[in-house]
Amino acid sequence: AQSVAQPEDQVNVAEGNPLTVKCTYSVSGNPYLFWYVQYPNRGLQFLLKYITGDNLVKGSYGFEAEFNKSQTSFHLKKPSALVSDSALYFCAVRDGPGGFKTIFGAGTRLFVKA
Amino acid sequence: GAVVSQHPSRVICKSGTSVKIECRSLDFQATTMFWYRQFPKQSLMLMATSNEGSKATYEQGVEKDKFLINHASLTLSTLTVTSAHPEDSSFYICSGTPDSGGVWRVNEQFFGPGTRLTVL
Repeated sequence: AQSVAQPEDQVNVAEGNPLTVKCTYSVSGNPYLFWYVQYPNRGLQFLLKYITGDNLVKGSYGFEAEFNKSQTSFHLKKPSALVSDSALYFCAVRDGPGGFKTIFGAGTRLFVKA
Repeated sequence: GAVVSQHPSRVICKSGTSVKIECRSLDFQATTMFWYRQFPKQSLMLMATSNEGSKATYEQGVEKDKFLINHASLTLSTLTVTSAHPEDSSFYICSGTPDSGGVWRVNEQFFGPGTRLTVL
């Protein structure tokens, strides 16, 4: 069965510093990996995805993530955090295209302090 | 990106009543849609996979007679919470994956803005 783990409930970082939000996954086949962000009382906004190709994926709002097959990780990163990045971040995995269901991690709350 | 709408965005109802939530893909067709629920400060839990023209597939522990799903067309799925109780109060989110548009598009899920259900 597929699963995804986000080991940190919360990440605190100062504005301007680099940030990392961790994610590890487990799937039986080739993984389809996603990062989403959620602001209070809002739906999910897509940040980026890895399907195939380059291990370093660049996404929205300056975020990027690196797919590491040997470590089964897909950590989300940003070189310089903004206060407006403060939100809830979800890593998700799907082990097939289209109609295959997506499983979400528990979420990591990011606080960026000015 | 593709757009998914949900209606209503917020609903308050009395215990024992039924509530219908609509999920529409506005600019794509989706054979498959998904329904999630999210409790405060928690992750999204997949409730069911909605299949156009056939019965929904429910996740373990989700009561199919309580959460009725109808995927009547390629752009509309509905979730009806029957005989709602306060413990059904939650944030319900739907998503859809386009049937066409290239490999990158069909591998992405597009989420609705969510529906906040409060049962008194």
